[in-house]
Amino acid sequence: ILNVEQSPQSLHVQEGDSTNFTCSFPSSNFYALHWYRWETAKSPEALFVMTLNGDEKKKGRISATLNTKEGYSYLYIKGSQPEDSATYLCASHTGTASKLTFGTGTRLQVTL
Amino acid sequence: GAVVSQHPSRVICKSGTSVKIECRSLDFQATTMFWYRQFPKQSLMLMATSNEGSKATYEQGVEKDKFLINHASLTLSTLTVTSAHPEDSSFYICSARDWAIGTITDTQYFGPGTRLTVL
Repeated sequence: ILNVEQSPQSLHVQEGDSTNFTCSFPSSNFYALHWYRWETAKSPEALFVMTLNGDEKKKGRISATLNTKEGYSYLYIKGSQPEDSATYLCASHTGTASKLTFGTGTRLQVTL
Repeated sequence: GAVVSQHPSRVICKSGTSVKIECRSLDFQATTMFWYRQFPKQSLMLMATSNEGSKATYEQGVEKDKFLINHASLTLSTLTVTSAHPEDSSFYICSARDWAIGTITDTQYFGPGTRLTVL
């Protein structure tokens, strides 16, 4: 994998459903994997920065896992709420520069 | 904490004019700020990395004479799109790293972005 790829592109779930998305990234020269939540007309909000293989981070109902050897991260949302509706971005940090390479995002819509 | 503002949020201009976009870190000092551009249905693409007091580092394919970046203080970076043309119409967004933390994997805090439309 040369680029950061996210799937699915969009997702529509009912309130209370649990869901997950995938971020695939180049595994060579890996430094960190960032997850952001981006609501329309607002600034992207940092969710997690993950660096260690096997790492799992949690923030309320949202959690993320990281596999640096195979180059993927999962983001999980438990019991989705309408306020979880947003675009979820992942970004890979490789090499020694500060540069982040972003995926195109997963757009989540949670309805009542 | 860690709030980044960006101004203006939206600008419409005529072809040939120059447009300046400001990015400010409101409650922290940022030695490094980043400028990204996003075209419809594409990912955020890094244009340049801006370091306080020095010249910006531009990504391959980004014209430095067209996209002028100034980072004169620890809380302000500006991007000027010179002689804008319709193909420069895009969403421009900045981010900043907190100087106090100081590792390259640190979280970048983003502004809300600027929608530029060149007629």
